[in-house]
Amino acid sequence: TQLLEQSPQFLSIQEGENLTVYCNSSSVFSSLQWYRQEPGEGPVLLVTVVTGGEVKKLKRLTFQFGDARKDSSLHITAAQPGDTGLYLCAGATDTDKLIFGTGTRLQVFP
Amino acid sequence: KAGVTQTPRYLIKTRGQQVTLSCSPISGHRSVSWYQQTPGQGLQFLFEYFSETQRNKGNFPGRFSGRQFSNSRSEMNVSTLELGDSALYLCASSWRLVTSGSSDEQYFGPGTRLTVT
Repeated sequence: TQLLEQSPQFLSIQEGENLTVYCNSSSVFSSLQWYRQEPGEGPVLLVTVVTGGEVKKLKRLTFQFGDARKDSSLHITAAQPGDTGLYLCAGATDTDKLIFGTGTRLQVFP
Repeated sequence: KAGVTQTPRYLIKTRGQQVTLSCSPISGHRSVSWYQQTPGQGLQFLFEYFSETQRNKGNFPGRFSGRQFSNSRSEMNVSTLELGDSALYLCASSWRLVTSGSSDEQYFGPGTRLTVT
């Protein structure tokens, strides 16, 4: 069974702080996606990384795909209350369905 | 353009009943995937339909079934409901088959919150 473990499970921080969310697996993925989900809504895609070692930046968010394509991280600089939500990573294999991570619930207080 | 729509948004059913959920994808999208989201198990893949054919299926019992129509709209059915079926059911649409490893973006609907009592 393929699993994607995310850590931490919960994160509660003050506005302006930095944070990193990790997504780890023993399986290799052909690509990995990060989503953010807000209450009452479906997940919204933030980024897709496909190459081992790839780094992508989206304003204050930095995404990294591990060299072996088994893990990924999301770093947020100077978090804002609008960053609050459930962050999900999802890995795709060549022939299988999308496997979603366990999720990290982020709360940013003003 | 309009996003993915799901109906109904909320549903309460009793054990043993059956339920049908509906999903209308973004215009032009041919792939529709269904997911179950619960606090304990997270977001789990149910199945994906493309051009009216089920292309991939997750590890769920046969009580969970679906279909897709020629206009790409999809329905999901759960028979003989159990308490553990209480969850948020999400559908997502995409241009191409997601489970082919295309990494195409999926657009999710707001979900149907099903409560089984």
